[in-house]
Amino acid sequence: AQSVAQPEDQVNVAEGNPLTVKCTYSVSGNPYLFWYVQYPNRGLQFLLKYITGDNLVKGSYGFEAEFNKSQTSFHLKKPSALVSDSALYFCAVRDSRKAAGNKLTFGGGTRVLVKP
Amino acid sequence: DVKVTQSSRYLVKRTGEKVFLECVQDMDHENMFWYRQDPGLGLRLIYFSYDVKMKEKGDIPEGYSVSREKKERFSLILESASTNQTSMYLCASSLDSQNRLSQYFGPGTRLTVT
Repeated sequence: AQSVAQPEDQVNVAEGNPLTVKCTYSVSGNPYLFWYVQYPNRGLQFLLKYITGDNLVKGSYGFEAEFNKSQTSFHLKKPSALVSDSALYFCAVRDSRKAAGNKLTFGGGTRVLVKP
Repeated sequence: DVKVTQSSRYLVKRTGEKVFLECVQDMDHENMFWYRQDPGLGLRLIYFSYDVKMKEKGDIPEGYSVSREKKERFSLILESASTNQTSMYLCASSLDSQNRLSQYFGPGTRLTVT
């Protein structure tokens, strides 16, 4: 079975400060990892993914995430947060083994509030 | 750009009604998914389909069924709606390719069952 934990329900940060949203995962095979963002009254938008290769992945809107296999983590980061980054963020994992199918398992979500 | 559309943004139904939620994608994706989103629980997979007429149960299939008669369309059916099915329903699609694994989501349907 695969699972994702986002330990913080909400993260508050001042505009211009660094933003980190935490994610840890559990999967039997090697992980494929994803971050999605949901702005108010909108569907989920893909931000970035880790499949293989460089542990530091860069994505949309200046976000990046670092895959850490030993800590089974995939934290999302942005060096300087904007008020417009206020949204709901979801981490997701998929088992890389084809036999495991195409199922994504999502975390519970972390609400980010960036204050001016 | 991939476009995933859902038939309704908001829906209000009564307990016991049969409810159809429709999802259409325009990028010839093999895989389609139905999730429900509830506060604090994230997205939970209800059903998914990897080909026409093929379907597999997700994590919470009870009370739901699906239909995929055409590649671009994936329908979620609530045979007899109940109040605990009040939720946001999200449809997604993806290619069946090792290099193109991202799922693309529709805007969601907020269903209220009274």
